[in-house]
Amino acid sequence: DAGITQSPRHKVTETGTPVTLRCHQTENHRYMYWYRQDPGHGLRLIHYSYGVKDTDKGEVSDGYSVSRSKTEDFLLTLESATSSQTSVYFCAISVMTGNYGYTFGSGTRLTVV
Amino acid sequence: TQLLEQSPQFLSIQEGENLTVYCNSSSVFSSLQWYRQEPGEGPVLLVTVVTGGEVKKLKRLTFQFGDARKDSSLHITAAQPGDTGLYLCAGGAGSYQLTFGKGTKLSVIP
Repeated sequence: DAGITQSPRHKVTETGTPVTLRCHQTENHRYMYWYRQDPGHGLRLIHYSYGVKDTDKGEVSDGYSVSRSKTEDFLLTLESATSSQTSVYFCAISVMTGNYGYTFGSGTRLTVV
Repeated sequence: TQLLEQSPQFLSIQEGENLTVYCNSSSVFSSLQWYRQEPGEGPVLLVTVVTGGEVKKLKRLTFQFGDARKDSSLHITAAQPGDTGLYLCAGGAGSYQLTFGKGTKLSVIP
């Protein structure tokens, strides 16, 4: 059930270039999240959205920006990629936040060289 | 800041053995969720527990939420190679975002 898709699945980019990752959902869920997953750190929240044009920062938001112009799309932008942003990025959606389960996308593996 | 500590970090067992993984915190959560993640994929929700002392069973998997709602455990009976993966716990506290543990990486050897 591909209610949430991420693109691209893999990307290699050079330091200093801008990068945009896309998350698309067909579930009409209100909440959308961007996480990064790194060995030894687990899943860390970058940004989240609680509605169209309503976004807020997570615990590791420096160097990242997001936009949500439509319910179904949540974009994550690295304005100027750095090697420390090499990671696996996951998008997640939920009906509500807090006590409710998240549905995750399959992830984007980003390598900054 | 709410933290969730998972143990063990790594676990390698033979097929057919039983195992338990733990998720502990000094904070109270209103719900606790368990996810399983396979290589190259996103985490998949297994269960949500919301009541202190609650026990839920999903085939060979048994999930328990501690009475004080600060800890949880996942018990797998007769582990199979298909159980291999990264198991993540996540705590919910009302309107706040989920807090994730770092995970337990389970390998079940045929």
